[in-house]
Amino acid sequence: EVQLLESGGGLVQPGGSLRLSCAASGFSFSSYVMNWVRQAPGKGLEWVAGISGTIPTTYYAASVKGRFTVSRDNSKNTLYLEMNRLRAADTAIYYCAKDAQEMRLLLLFDNWGQGTLVTVSS
Amino acid sequence: IVLTQSPGTLSLSPGQRATLSCRASQSVSSNYLAWYQQKPGQAPRLLIYGASSRATGIPDRFSGSGSGTDFTLTISGLEPEDFAVYYCQQYGSLITFGQGTRLEIK
Repeated sequence: EVQLLESGGGLVQPGGSLRLSCAASGFSFSSYVMNWVRQAPGKGLEWVAGISGTIPTTYYAASVKGRFTVSRDNSKNTLYLEMNRLRAADTAIYYCAKDAQEMRLLLLFDNWGQGTLVTVSS
Repeated sequence: IVLTQSPGTLSLSPGQRATLSCRASQSVSSNYLAWYQQKPGQAPRLLIYGASSRATGIPDRFSGSGSGTDFTLTISGLEPEDFAVYYCQQYGSLITFGQGTRLEIK
C-alpha cells in the first residue's frame, strides 16, 4: 500500500523559511516523479513543484520559482520542499503527491498524502 | 489552459444522477483530463484519468466522458459518500486545475 506522510508545516513569519518533508513507502520511490500540490484555505488546488526520479530534474510553478526548492533523497524514500521568502499568499495545506506513471513526468496524481499546513503570518 | 467547471454547486438527493462539466479554454492534448474527489479534511482522490478511464478501486457509478474542450463527470445513483467537491485537471499541457464543483445533499 502506498503511503505518503508529510511533516514540517507550521507558523512562520513573512519573509521566513520552512522545510517540508514527505516520507514515502509501499512503492519504488526512485522510479516515480514526486510532486507538491497546495491548497489555500477554502480554495482550489495548485501544483507547486515536481522532481523526477533517478537523475533529478526539477519543475516549478511560476508563483514559487526562485523561492522554493524541491529535492529528494532516494536512499531515505523522502521528498522535500525548501520554502524561502515566504508570503501570506503561500499559506496553504501542502500535499505530497505521487505521479501515476513510472519514469515519466505526467502530472497525474494517483496517491496523495494527508497534507501539512503552512501558515505565513506575523 | 484555463479550466472552467460548472455548476459551482450542485444540490441533489441520494439516488439521483449527477452531471458535472469541465470546459477547457483550448483543446486538451491527448484528452489528458482527470477528475478528483475531495471530502472535507481529506486529500483529493483520483477518480478518472484520460477523460474516461476509472482509477483503481473507483466504483463504476463514476464515469467520465468528453474530448477536446468539453468534459463531463457523471455519477449515476448518488451514494451518501459521494457528496464532496470535485475538481477537473488537465495534464496535457503542463497542469491546470478547475475551480471545483461542490456536490451537496438536497
